[in-house]
Amino acid sequence: AQSVTQPDIHITVSEGASLELRCNYSYGATPYLFWYVQSPGQGLQLLLKYFSGDTLVQGIKGFEAEFKRSQSSFNLRKPSVHWSDAAEYFCAVGGSGTYKYIFGTGTRLKVLA
Amino acid sequence: DSGVTQTPKHLITATGQRVTLRCSPRSGDLSVYWYQQSLDQGLQFLIQYYNGEERAKGNILERFSAQQFPDLHSELNLSSLELGDSALYFCASSTPIAGGSYEQYFGPGTRLTVT
Repeated sequence: AQSVTQPDIHITVSEGASLELRCNYSYGATPYLFWYVQSPGQGLQLLLKYFSGDTLVQGIKGFEAEFKRSQSSFNLRKPSVHWSDAAEYFCAVGGSGTYKYIFGTGTRLKVLA
Repeated sequence: DSGVTQTPKHLITATGQRVTLRCSPRSGDLSVYWYQQSLDQGLQFLIQYYNGEERAKGNILERFSAQQFPDLHSELNLSSLELGDSALYFCASSTPIAGGSYEQYFGPGTRLTVT
């Protein structure tokens, strides 16, 4: 079955610390992978995406993610977190020939000053 | 700003009522998607339209229906509302990019409260 797992429901980090949010997927075909961020009361904003090619992708706001096919993972990273990064982060998977995304349950990030 | 607009921003209504949520996609986008986000179900795909035609269906209840009009805006109709329908409803739009890839851009959502 196709699915996305974000094992961490909540993560708390100090401002300036590094961040890694985990995402594991199960998908029968070549996956297209996405990370979105949702601030309170807001819609989802696309942070970055992976379709093919270089497995390390850069996104907006200083985020990057690495696609590891052998581990079925697409973890999101940021070297130094800012207080404004506090939000909920969603990983999603789609594929060629289908426009339907499958979303993970989200990871809520709290940033300590 | 993603370029996707949704109205209204908030909606409060009573059980048994019917409401219509409206979405305008980004300029040039042919596909529109509807999602429901609730605390217990997370973000659930409801339905997709492409250039006026239904393309994919997800976990959409029979009490819910949608359509996409010739000008590409879309409406999601929710009827016989129940308390459990209270949620954030998102619309997204996308256009295929070269190589068969695509990305979805989300609107700000409509918060529906059923009392």
